[in-house]
Amino acid sequence: GQQLNQSPQSMFIQEGEDVSMNCTSSSIFNTWLWYKQEPGEGPVLLIALYKAGELTSNGRLTAQFGITRKDSFLNISASIPSDVGIYFCAGQSSNAGNMLTFGGGTRLMVKP
Amino acid sequence: DAGITQSPRHKVTETGTPVTLRCHQTENHRYMYWYRQDPGHGLRLIHYSYGVKDTDKGEVSDGYSVSRSKTEDFLLTLESATSSQTSVYFCAISEDLAGSPLHFGNGTRLTVT
Repeated sequence: GQQLNQSPQSMFIQEGEDVSMNCTSSSIFNTWLWYKQEPGEGPVLLIALYKAGELTSNGRLTAQFGITRKDSFLNISASIPSDVGIYFCAGQSSNAGNMLTFGGGTRLMVKP
Repeated sequence: DAGITQSPRHKVTETGTPVTLRCHQTENHRYMYWYRQDPGHGLRLIHYSYGVKDTDKGEVSDGYSVSRSKTEDFLLTLESATSSQTSVYFCAISEDLAGSPLHFGNGTRLTVT
């Protein structure tokens, strides 16, 4: 089946630093989604991307749909303690019956 | 949480016993999904539903069955729980299949002893 390689697996950064994480695949996706999960809760949608090359922002978060349609990245600017959590990418492809394929997650820890 | 309620939130059960998890939505979305989340495996699709009484298998469907008798409710049943089914189970909903983001419930933590 399709696989998404998400990196890094974890990050421990200082408050105020910028963060970058990405997902890559050998398969092409039609949609890229980025989710954040906090302890004891379900993943919450942050950004949805529908077009190759698309760059979308949500506050301090910016995500891009790679031009090859095989990758996506998420940047967080000026991190704050409440950014702590696990960030997941997810890709949707008609080759997989339009079901989402999830990356393994990036665990972000922020030191005040 | 997009109007999604999962119950119970936590359950401990013994190997071999049947278990049913419930997902209730108030959004009137057509599609509903059950995922399990395990360390090192991320989120994996168990079953999904595309309408009342219409369901299909996902990536890890063995040992699970589902039912959807009403738009708002999607049940996941473990007929005979095994320790390998210890996991956190998430329900999700979406309006459409293609291009429509999933919205997740807050999960059910199931421990099979």
